[in-house]
Amino acid sequence: ETGVTQTPRHLVMGMTNKKSLKCEQHLGHNAMYWYKQSAKKPLELMFVYNFKEQTENNSVPSRFSPECPNSSHLFLHLHTLQPEDSALYLCASSQEARSYSGTQYFGPGTRLTVL
Amino acid sequence: GQNIDQPTEMTATEGAIVQINCTYQTSGFNGLFWYQQHAGEAPTFLSYNVLDGLEEKGRFSSFLSRSKGYSYLLLKELQMKDSASYLCAVLKAAGNKLTFGGGTRVLVKP
Repeated sequence: ETGVTQTPRHLVMGMTNKKSLKCEQHLGHNAMYWYKQSAKKPLELMFVYNFKEQTENNSVPSRFSPECPNSSHLFLHLHTLQPEDSALYLCASSQEARSYSGTQYFGPGTRLTVL
Repeated sequence: GQNIDQPTEMTATEGAIVQINCTYQTSGFNGLFWYQQHAGEAPTFLSYNVLDGLEEKGRFSSFLSRSKGYSYLLLKELQMKDSASYLCAVLKAAGNKLTFGGGTRVLVKP
């Protein structure tokens, strides 16, 4: 299944580094999502974009900065992260982001380790 | 707010049946999803229930009772490849936003 791809798959960074995660969907969808999956915690929604517009920021710290240049691409820019930000970051897409606009399809995730 | 509970871990034997329960408390309910997630991989869609009752898809079935805030995922004729985490997620009425439970790790033994 290559509907939603994410790069890199693994990333190790120091607290002073700046890095970006990339997500691309090939499903013709118009909504894209970032989720965080930490060990022993539920999968947690971070951001939602619908037709390139951000419609949800789930109280995410500003050291995480999303960017959605078009409906197929989504980025998560990272700077001055903390060790507790180490987690699996998952991207998903769906038809739209209105009231039940279809199943969300997930990418394989980026495993991030902050030293 | 939303509260979604499911067991942390279950063990079953190959060929057997396992039922994973999920209870939820939420406002603005618009359906419930089940996803399967193998270690290190993407969650993959299994089922969506918005009306009360049972939905069957091959070896997997999902049940919903809206009045009781309860769902279950039934896995029949278990195979070794079914060893994975199973995520229950509630859909809010607006914005296609999912809230996930902690996941149930199912271990299938020979």
